[in-house]
Amino acid sequence: SAVISQKPSRDICQRGTSLTIQCQVDSQVTMMFWYRQQPGQSLTLIATANQGSEATYESGFVIDKFPISRPNLTFSTLTVSNMSPEDSSIYLCSVDNRDSEAFFGQGTRLTVV
Amino acid sequence: DAKTTQPTSMDCAEGRAANLPCNHSTISGNEYVYWYRQIHSQGPQYIIHGLKNNETNEMASLIITEDRKSSTLILPHATLRDTAVYYCIVRVMNYGGSQGNLIFGKGTKLSVKP
Repeated sequence: SAVISQKPSRDICQRGTSLTIQCQVDSQVTMMFWYRQQPGQSLTLIATANQGSEATYESGFVIDKFPISRPNLTFSTLTVSNMSPEDSSIYLCSVDNRDSEAFFGQGTRLTVV
Repeated sequence: DAKTTQPTSMDCAEGRAANLPCNHSTISGNEYVYWYRQIHSQGPQYIIHGLKNNETNEMASLIITEDRKSSTLILPHATLRDTAVYYCIVRVMNYGGSQGNLIFGKGTKLSVKP
């Protein structure tokens, strides 16, 4: 199994500011995924982070709002920009192992006030 | 949109088997059935996945019908710690090993009761 560490685990932020979430994996992985889970809802895929290329965003998510970095095969960041209360969610990082089993971090609980 | 249908909620008595059904009538030949669960305030946890044969691991068993249009996740001896939301997901597995995205539906909220 892959061990995924996310930082911060939670934060309370002022509207209009930005927060960068870090995801560190204990092994090299090709693809990393970022999800959002709004209160009481299921998970929604934001984007796929590919090392060495731009992230691929799902419908409804744009790079200006959720810029992603993937500098190497064990690390990625997701930034939530110009935050509003509607961005209050849990943000989760995920990776696949060689057996196609996806593993998730514990998430970053973001509250925007 | 998710390609699976699950009951919204289920109850199970502690120590009994929990059988969680999932319908995926439009599943394609290259799509696998995955199960995850999410315990409150934690990230989703991988349970098991399969293509057409039944699968078993230390956590659960996965029974897939012969026509692959439905499946059942079985927790053989449910405990209070198995209370969680269980997600059934179909996922494309492309030739060459690349995987499609995981599309989460609403899942089944399983409550294990003493």
